[in-house]
Amino acid sequence: GEDVEQSLFLSVREGDSSVINCTYTDSSSTYLYWYKQEPGAGLQLLTYIFSNMDMKQDQRLTVLLNKKDKHLSLRIADTQTGDSAIYFCAENGGSGNTGKLIFGQGTTLQVKP
Amino acid sequence: GAVVSQHPSRVICKSGTSVKIECRSLDFQATTMFWYRQFPKQSLMLMATSNEGSKATYEQGVEKDKFLINHASLTLSTLTVTSAHPEDSSFYICSAVRASGGTGELFFGEGSRLTVL
Repeated sequence: GEDVEQSLFLSVREGDSSVINCTYTDSSSTYLYWYKQEPGAGLQLLTYIFSNMDMKQDQRLTVLLNKKDKHLSLRIADTQTGDSAIYFCAENGGSGNTGKLIFGQGTTLQVKP
Repeated sequence: GAVVSQHPSRVICKSGTSVKIECRSLDFQATTMFWYRQFPKQSLMLMATSNEGSKATYEQGVEKDKFLINHASLTLSTLTVTSAHPEDSSFYICSAVRASGGTGELFFGEGSRLTVL
């Protein structure tokens, strides 16, 4: 079945780069997403990448997709304390625009001053 | 940007009562909305897909009589937790997809935290 795996925890120092990794199993995924969740809040879409792309950059965020290995990563440059949150990787399992997503377990990013 | 609003954001109720949570798309029409449940320090689990004007589609293991979903209009879906029990305490999050066009992007509500005493 569909599965999305992430490491559970990452700790970095303020100003360093953070790299959060994700693997997925469904090769029919057309979109892959990164969401951010702050404590007690809903999910905020950070960025997404279409499956025929290898890389997408948006300000401090860089998404890399290795479709062959089904590996997705999110790099946050110049990480700030405000970036501390849980980051979820998600894929749509080839469901197109229906929006039915499969989420990873979430990676807790801790940014130390 | 597109906004999805949930209400209430927090609710505490007694065991045995029913609780209704609303999910509204504020600036777009959504033919499809999704209801997720999130346990503490865990990922989101899709409960059901809510389709405007038709019955919701429930994921395996989700009791449809326990979690009633109504999608009466293109901007509103409601989740009613019937005869709530402490094990129903959780963070419920809805999301919505634009009715037309779009990239498959989901817009999420802020979540509703239910505590059943």
